[in-house]
Amino acid sequence: DGGITQSPKYLFRKEGQNVTLSCEQNLNHDAMYWYRQDPGQGLRLIYYSQIVNDFQKGDIAEGYSVSREKKESFPLTVTSAQKNPTAFYLCASTGGGEETQYFGPGTRLLVL
Amino acid sequence: GIQVEQSPPDLILQEGANSTLRCNFSDSVNNLQWFHQNPWGQLINLFYIPSGTKQNGRLSATTVATERYSLLYISSSQTTDSGVYFCAVDLYNFNKFYFGSGTKLNVKP
Repeated sequence: DGGITQSPKYLFRKEGQNVTLSCEQNLNHDAMYWYRQDPGQGLRLIYYSQIVNDFQKGDIAEGYSVSREKKESFPLTVTSAQKNPTAFYLCASTGGGEETQYFGPGTRLLVL
Repeated sequence: GIQVEQSPPDLILQEGANSTLRCNFSDSVNNLQWFHQNPWGQLINLFYIPSGTKQNGRLSATTVATERYSLLYISSSQTTDSGVYFCAVDLYNFNKFYFGSGTKLNVKP
């Protein structure tokens, strides 16, 4: 089955720690995205990548970093510079001639 | 950046009722999508509708691009329709989406 997987489902971060969220897709999509969702809010774009080895900052990129070394993978690192990282993180992709965004199941990040 | 406003913010329906959700946006867009987020957080695309009208079962959507709004109609609502409905717009067709704050729907049996 084609789709987007995110891991882990829950992630706990200690003060001063960097953590990495995984996003993998087997849809052969060129574009991938990371969004942050706070309780009761809409989604805000962190980073996006239109092609391999290229990515752009979204509206709230400070304290986050990404890489796009493979078409299938777009990991997000939440660095210690992100002072309020507790949120629900969603990965998405588009491509294959479709305009539709497909979303993974999300990762909930909590700070200990 | 573009402003995306959704109304109402909250909606409670009795099963079987109909409803209309609205999305207003502040600039011309090349792409508009409606999503449903279930109680477990999963987002599912309902419609890709930059203009015109589409229907899928009990759901339909209309976008009037010249007047900068879109409507999502839910007919004969079911408890499984509960969740949050988001609209998202892409201003420059670069697939960089801006999301509204959503309409939280609760359908009661």
